[in-house]
Amino acid sequence: EAGVAQSPRYKIIEKRQSVAFWCNPISGHATLYWYQQILGQGPKLLIQFQNNGVVDDSQLPKDRFSAERLKGVDSTLKIQPAKLEDSAVYLCASSPTGGGNEQYFGPGTRLTVT
Amino acid sequence: TQLLEQSPQFLSIQEGENLTVYCNSSSVFSSLQWYRQEPGEGPVLLVTVVTGGEVKKLKRLTFQFGDARKDSSLHITAAQPGDTGLYLCAGVSWGKLQFGAGTQVVVTP
Repeated sequence: EAGVAQSPRYKIIEKRQSVAFWCNPISGHATLYWYQQILGQGPKLLIQFQNNGVVDDSQLPKDRFSAERLKGVDSTLKIQPAKLEDSAVYLCASSPTGGGNEQYFGPGTRLTVT
Repeated sequence: TQLLEQSPQFLSIQEGENLTVYCNSSSVFSSLQWYRQEPGEGPVLLVTVVTGGEVKKLKRLTFQFGDARKDSSLHITAAQPGDTGLYLCAGVSWGKLQFGAGTQVVVTP
């Protein structure tokens, strides 16, 4: 079974630029998560989708971050404009259902904002 | 602010030694998960503990959930270089995961 795919793996941008990350979850998984992991910290949930609907986006900085999951499969996370403090690893995870069951994480995208 | 405190932050030991890492919180969780994360990879689930006082074993790894479901520990017996990684605990509350900052474990041959 293929795992969660993410691209790109690395991205370097200047502050105030825009960036987008892509995630393809495990086939058949209804729930998709985006996490931000700053160096030295654990992952922090940004947004959770159930199929193509948003379940929780309470910690998403909506003035600059946006995410969508069209057709309930792939998802994109966008940052516009980026700030220095957005430098982090952005992890995508999926699970068959929500509710705290096992989440399967992708390898992440390491973003550096200069 | 992390609701889960993990200690120590960093642990370096020799192959064959034992180690214990701790995960503490003032909050009660419905369950608690332990993950291991290697460089350049996402976290991988090791175990989920659900019942207060529960002990689970995974080969040389022993996980314990506190009686009050607020804390947990991970004990590794006879550590091997392959155990090197970032160990993360995550409390499950209202279906959401709240991660600790992790304990970086380095096992040298």
